[in-house]
Amino acid sequence: GQNIDQPTEMTATEGAIVQINCTYQTSGFNGLFWYQQHAGEAPTFLSYNVLDGLEEKGRFSSFLSRSKGYSYLLLKELQMKDSASYLCAVRRTDKLIFGTGTRLQVFP
Amino acid sequence: DAGVIQSPRHEVTEMGQEVTLRCKPISGHDYLFWYRQTMMRGLELLIYFNNNVPIDDSGMPEDRFSAKMPNASFSTLKIQPSEPRDSAVYFCASSSSTGTGIKETQYFGPGTRLLVL
Repeated sequence: GQNIDQPTEMTATEGAIVQINCTYQTSGFNGLFWYQQHAGEAPTFLSYNVLDGLEEKGRFSSFLSRSKGYSYLLLKELQMKDSASYLCAVRRTDKLIFGTGTRLQVFP
Repeated sequence: DAGVIQSPRHEVTEMGQEVTLRCKPISGHDYLFWYRQTMMRGLELLIYFNNNVPIDDSGMPEDRFSAKMPNASFSTLKIQPSEPRDSAVYFCASSSSTGTGIKETQYFGPGTRLLVL
């Protein structure tokens, strides 16, 4: 089976740093994805980790520890436009299993 | 590239009616996925195809749901008869198993917002 846990909601201030955690338990693992979804829109790809460690991509970074079943998405220099839901997804064979997402609200 | 195309963007129907959702994947992508998203359950995979063949339909809620992919550029998800609990946003996504880069990335269409009264 699979179980993916993320906090339901988070708040942060413009210019700050926020870390969104994701823990997973799955019978198969072929990588972990993070997607961003603005209200009323489709999910869009942010990052992908298949090996342990940190992947940096501009203001966004994603970390993976396969032995701990743990990942986080780090957002730096927060902007108002970063207010969105962030979905953690585990790749199992050909398909993605999504967490329920973390709704982030950025305040001025 | 036009991206994944879905139609209609919004659908309002009455309970018992048939609903057909349509999807055109990104050209050259060999995987197509149908998802349903609700506030309560999040984003759930319903079914996916590889090279037009259904691979895993274990997420399809019940026999009222069916999906087809007659060719590489078109897929449908049909609900017959529809019920109020089917109200959700239905997303189609596609990906490619070949090429360079993060080839497993799924690209989502804009979604169809379905309301069954």
